Amino acid sequence: EAQVTQNPRYLITVTGKKLTVTCSQNMNHEYMSWYRQDPGLGLRQIYYSMNVEVTDKGDVPEGYKVSRKEKRNFPLILESPSPNQTSLYFCASSKRLASTSTDTQYFGPGTRLTVL
Amino acid sequence: GENVEQHPSTLSVQEGDSAVIKCTYSDSASNYFPWYKQELGKGPQLIIDIRSNVGEKKDQRIAVTLNKTAKHFSLHITETQPEDSAVYFCAAILYNNNDMRFGAGTRLTVKP
Repeated sequence: EAQVTQNPRYLITVTGKKLTVTCSQNMNHEYMSWYRQDPGLGLRQIYYSMNVEVTDKGDVPEGYKVSRKEKRNFPLILESPSPNQTSLYFCASSKRLASTSTDTQYFGPGTRLTVL
Repeated sequence: GENVEQHPSTLSVQEGDSAVIKCTYSDSASNYFPWYKQELGKGPQLIIDIRSNVGEKKDQRIAVTLNKTAKHFSLHITETQPEDSAVYFCAAILYNNNDMRFGAGTRLTVKP
């Protein structure tokens, strides 16, 4: 089954404690991205990756890091989480650039993060 | 950068009625406009999209219209059903630019 998986689905942590949210896709997609979803703000892109070892900042990259060492994995790293990073996070992937093809962008199920 | 505004934020309709959600965008160079449906506890799912070289696209009960001059696009759902209840997001993206901007979302409730 084609899917994007994220782990963990729920996480409660404390300020300053480093954490990683994993994202994996089994569709051999080149393009992957991370979004955060906050009430009244919709989804905002944090980082994206067009292929292995190629990553770029999205709309709200501050406080986050990513890596793309393998095509299937795109972890999101919070080196020193703060309460304003409490949010619902989604990973997404697609075969090519969303705007240059008709390939669907698949979203993961989401990770609800609370930083105390 | 691109800015996308979406209205209304909540919409309640009776089963069988039509629902319309509208979005405006700021960057006239944007050329791809997808719509996503997000059900409770799940990630957004693409339901329909339109490119700037097309004015209208239809897929069964769902249609999207695009007015490039006015920089707005709309989602139309006809003969609504309770299972259409969800949060709907519009988005806009510039060709070859991966910075996809989303609207704030519309919570649609279809009352049986």
